Amino acid sequence: EVRLEQSGAEVKKPGESLKISCKGSGYNFSYKWIGWVRQMPGKGLEWMAIIYPDGSDTRYSPSFQGQVTISADKSINTAYLQWASLKASDTAIYYCARLRSSWPEAAFEFWGQGTMVTVSS
Amino acid sequence: SYELTQPPSVSVSPGQTARITCSGEALPNQYAYWYQQRPGQAPVLVISKDSERPSEIPERFSGSSSGTTATLTISGVQAEDEADYYCQSSPSSSSYAVFGTGTKVIVL
Repeated sequence: EVRLEQSGAEVKKPGESLKISCKGSGYNFSYKWIGWVRQMPGKGLEWMAIIYPDGSDTRYSPSFQGQVTISADKSINTAYLQWASLKASDTAIYYCARLRSSWPEAAFEFWGQGTMVTVSS
Repeated sequence: SYELTQPPSVSVSPGQTARITCSGEALPNQYAYWYQQRPGQAPVLVISKDSERPSEIPERFSGSSSGTTATLTISGVQAEDEADYYCQSSPSSSSYAVFGTGTKVIVL
């Protein structure tokens, strides 16, 4: 059974750094693209970035390029999303999700439970 | 940047057919994907590559695409189909992807 287990909720102050995680199990983590999706409170889904763990090839949405960094450690089957300096507007639920097939076939078939990030002074 | 436009809401009576459209300039050349999201839950893929339905998704869900518009059709709508629906596609191969603006399906 494919599972994506995300790290727990975070409460941070503006300007702080953060790294959230997503651990995959039940499949060969190295060879499946995995990505992150943002959902701000009461709003729609936003595609952020994806990574191929074996080789670390990445794709970013222009809206998030330079704002976040996606990475992966295939030795522990874990993907990450990190911020160097959080803003209040980063408050959202962040989902990790795994592609059904291979990029550029872009369907996210498996999803994590979501990580709530709250940024407030 | 690239945008996919959906109607904000679609209202339908139980047993009737709901059609949700997704408009985007690159859809003639790129696949569309569709997701269902119920409140407080993660999204679920309901249609892949314009019209492929995952095996676990009920047959009443179907997809099509023509020109710059992709369409998700829910035939014989049930109360449990009340949810937000999002399309997804890309502006070109291998670049990045975007989600549509989202459509709330209201079952009357």
